Amino acid sequence: DAGVTQSPTHLIKTRGQHVTLRCSPISGHKSVSWYQQVLGQGPQFIFQYYEKEERGRGNFPDRFSARQFPNYSSELNVNALLLGDSALYLCASSLRLEGGYTFGSGTRLTVV
Amino acid sequence: AQSVTQLGSHVSVSEGALVLLRCNYSSSVPPYLFWYVQYPNQGLQLLLKYTSAATLVKGINGFEAEFKKSETSFHLTKPSAHMSDAAEYFCAVSASGGSYIPTFGRGTSLIVHP
Repeated sequence: DAGVTQSPTHLIKTRGQHVTLRCSPISGHKSVSWYQQVLGQGPQFIFQYYEKEERGRGNFPDRFSARQFPNYSSELNVNALLLGDSALYLCASSLRLEGGYTFGSGTRLTVV
Repeated sequence: AQSVTQLGSHVSVSEGALVLLRCNYSSSVPPYLFWYVQYPNQGLQLLLKYTSAATLVKGINGFEAEFKKSETSFHLTKPSAHMSDAAEYFCAVSASGGSYIPTFGRGTSLIVHP
C-alpha cells in the first residue's frame, strides 16, 4: 500500500518566488495536515484539512495557503518566499481527526 | 491550549541499556498523547499513542509509554537499546474533544553507543 507521498522531494527557490508543494494521503484518509520543521526543532503546525474544509490554521503569515481537492490530495502554497522559509515541509494524513498521523518523507525547501 | 516539554535534547545510552525519554505535557482538557520517531532525511513514524484507554501503552519496536495524570508525564521507555534505535524522538499532545491538532515537542536525539 502506498503511504503518504509528497512532491517534490527537494526544491531550491529564490527569495520572493512562489512555491507549491503537493501531498497525496493514504487511500481512504480524509484528513491532511501540513507541518514545517526547521532543522533541530519539532514540527510546527501550519494547516489541517478534513473533508476538503480547513479545520485549523497555525501561527503562520498569510503568505501560506493550502487547499484540499475532491480526491483528498492537498497543496501547500507559499508566496513571497523568505530565507526563513527554508525548512522540511511535512504532510500527514489520518483516517479520523483524532487518530495518529502517518507522515510523508517531506519536501526539503531551500530559499536562497 | 496544550504544550509539550521534552527534557533533554540529547540522550546517550549503551547498546543493551534501558532507554528513557522524558515528556511532560500541559493540557486544559484530557489529552491524547503520541510518540513519533524520525530517522535522518525521513518523515515521522508513529511509535505509540494514548487515547484514554489503558495507561500503559505498548508500541512498535519494543517501546512503551505510561500515562501518569498526576505527574502530567508520558515518558517513553525500552528495556534494551539497539543501534537501530538511534534517531530523533518527538512527543506530541492533542486535545480530546477539540480540534485534535497535535502540538509537538522539540525532540530528543537518542544516541546509542556500541
